[in-house]
Amino acid sequence: ETGVTQTPRHLVMGMTNKKSLKCEQHLGHNAMYWYKQSAKKPLELMFVYSLEERVENNSVPSRFSPECPNSSHLFLHLHTLQPEDSALYLCASSQDRGLWNEQFFGPGTRLTVL
Amino acid sequence: AQSVTQPDIHITVSEGASLELRCNYSYGATPYLFWYVQSPGQGLQLLLKYFSGDTLVQGIKGFEAEFKRSQSSFNLRKPSVHWSDAAEYFCAVGAQANDYKLSFGAGTTVTVRA
Repeated sequence: ETGVTQTPRHLVMGMTNKKSLKCEQHLGHNAMYWYKQSAKKPLELMFVYSLEERVENNSVPSRFSPECPNSSHLFLHLHTLQPEDSALYLCASSQDRGLWNEQFFGPGTRLTVL
Repeated sequence: AQSVTQPDIHITVSEGASLELRCNYSYGATPYLFWYVQSPGQGLQLLLKYFSGDTLVQGIKGFEAEFKRSQSSFNLRKPSVHWSDAAEYFCAVGAQANDYKLSFGAGTTVTVRA
């Protein structure tokens, strides 16, 4: 238990659906991250929020839309996804930005797009 | 930009035997180096990190890693593997301490046989 929870743990959706992934951290951290983990590929940083302000949008397609309503919650809204978007989506948080702050990861949401 | 190569996709080791996982990085200046472990169904957990100083770094769960600038390597070792060490291991490199961006390797899967 890392103090970072993600729901749902598994999600199957069609290409025309709209769904949202939720991440919650109970660590009092100020920075939160979304990563995409595809099979046998390096983790890809998608978005970073620091004090609820988006500081990174790593060339992610607009069909992925993040939202950070407060420092404890992070959402990833999904719409009109493609099959290649099937992956494990990991949320992480850290006390602040900066590599000296350890990132704590949630267990991920396994997304399958049909 | 920095990058990481983990040459071994899959390693099988007997319980009680030693383990070494290879990591090579590409970066012109002094890198910030990390090893993470991901157990099945879990998020990533930080094993150890190197920022500066002693090139032999001790981490959790009995792991250690050695930074060798001349070889651009940061190999992870454990003297005696336990069945619970079966997992996927990721090496990561960061460029600036005040940044948050990590470049991850594709991972090495470790199988432990009885």
